[in-house]
Amino acid sequence: AQSVTQLDSHVSVSEGTPVLLRCNYSSSYSPSLFWYVQHPNKGLQLLLKYTSAATLVKGINGFEAEFKKSETSFHLTKPSAHMSDAAEYFCVVSDRRDDKIIFGKGTRLHILP
Amino acid sequence: GAGVSQSPSNKVTEKGKDVELRCDPISGHTALYWYRQSLGQGLEFLIYFQGNSAPDKSGLPSDRFSAERTGGSVSTLTIQRTQQEDSAVYLCASSERVEYAFFGQGTRLTVV
Repeated sequence: AQSVTQLDSHVSVSEGTPVLLRCNYSSSYSPSLFWYVQHPNKGLQLLLKYTSAATLVKGINGFEAEFKKSETSFHLTKPSAHMSDAAEYFCVVSDRRDDKIIFGKGTRLHILP
Repeated sequence: GAGVSQSPSNKVTEKGKDVELRCDPISGHTALYWYRQSLGQGLEFLIYFQGNSAPDKSGLPSDRFSAERTGGSVSTLTIQRTQQEDSAVYLCASSERVEYAFFGQGTRLTVV
């Protein structure tokens, strides 16, 4: 069975500083991993995905994530935060045997001016 | 249509009434998911349909909740005898095998 843990429910960073949103997963099989973003009063939007190609995945808006099998992690990073990055971010794991998608509880990112 | 369509977009109902929420997935997508997002909470998995397999109902919070998917396409989530704690945004998503999920805009349910 797969599961996903987002280690921080809230993260606050200053504008222009790096962003790190942590995600650890558990999967008994080779997983697919995703990050979704949800801006206030908006629907969910795919940020990036990992499906066994390159372990460093680049997404939209300057975000990237690195798949580390040894650490069972898929942390989301961005070198320099922008005010428009304030949103809720969801880490997602999908077991490719049955395609069941499991969401993390989400991390709310706050950007300080 | 081009995306996942959910209806209604907003629903206000009285406590104790039954409601039906509809999801039209992207044509050809074999997998369909229902999630619930309560105020201040993360996404809560409800139910998952994959092709003709028996659905995974492990996330349904009580027997007042049920869902069906007719002809491998449209899905209806039914909540019987609604309670105030059922108030949430109900999200539907569909996907092809091993591809990421496309989400609808959700149905905001308010039980008064």
